[in-house]
Amino acid sequence: TQLLEQSPQFLSIQEGENLTVYCNSSSVFSSLQWYRQEPGEGPVLLVTVVTGGEVKKLKRLTFQFGDARKDSSLHITAAQPGDTGLYLCAGAGDSGGGADGLTFGKGTHLIIQP
Amino acid sequence: NAGVMQNPRHLVRRRGQEARLRCSPMKGHSHVYWYRQLPEEGLKFMVYLQKENIIDESGMPKERFSAEFPKEGPSILRIQQVVRGDSAAYFCASSPLFLAGGNTEAFFGQGTRLTVV
Repeated sequence: TQLLEQSPQFLSIQEGENLTVYCNSSSVFSSLQWYRQEPGEGPVLLVTVVTGGEVKKLKRLTFQFGDARKDSSLHITAAQPGDTGLYLCAGAGDSGGGADGLTFGKGTHLIIQP
Repeated sequence: NAGVMQNPRHLVRRRGQEARLRCSPMKGHSHVYWYRQLPEEGLKFMVYLQKENIIDESGMPKERFSAEFPKEGPSILRIQQVVRGDSAAYFCASSPLFLAGGNTEAFFGQGTRLTVV
């Protein structure tokens, strides 16, 4: 059973469209982090959300942490080809007593076509 | 401030050999985490270390795998008698504080891609 479920798993859209990626869990996390990973590289941290209901913006990216700290979403406005990549959500300090590291979802493979 | 440094970037080993993967955390970070990533799968937690101590190794196979983070020098992930199934990308991350506390962040290295032939 995957502790963190990400959806969709794959998404291919045209440049200029908007999209939302979801990260859901039955566990409560003390924080949740979003990473972006490109082929052959390590994950690069985009944002950390800590407080339930928190919203953070990073240029055209908007991140939200659910009120109960069990889920999160990433919304991209006017997607560009440079946004193409694997987006990973990762939770820390889950209430399910998981490992002390981050628990990752399987990721969303995003392709933005010119 | 240099990021998390991993070496080698690529490592090829024959079945039965040993693989040693190194990770130097970011300056000031005393918490190190190792993850394994297989194609089309997410990153799987292996082990969490703090200087000279293994804090949580619940994700690490009990045989052939070991990890250390000595007082001086990089953290080492060691895989003895490698098998083809060990082929994967291994990532190291570091943080200045305990992740589960919620008020810190983990930064990743570029990974070591291990291929067992």
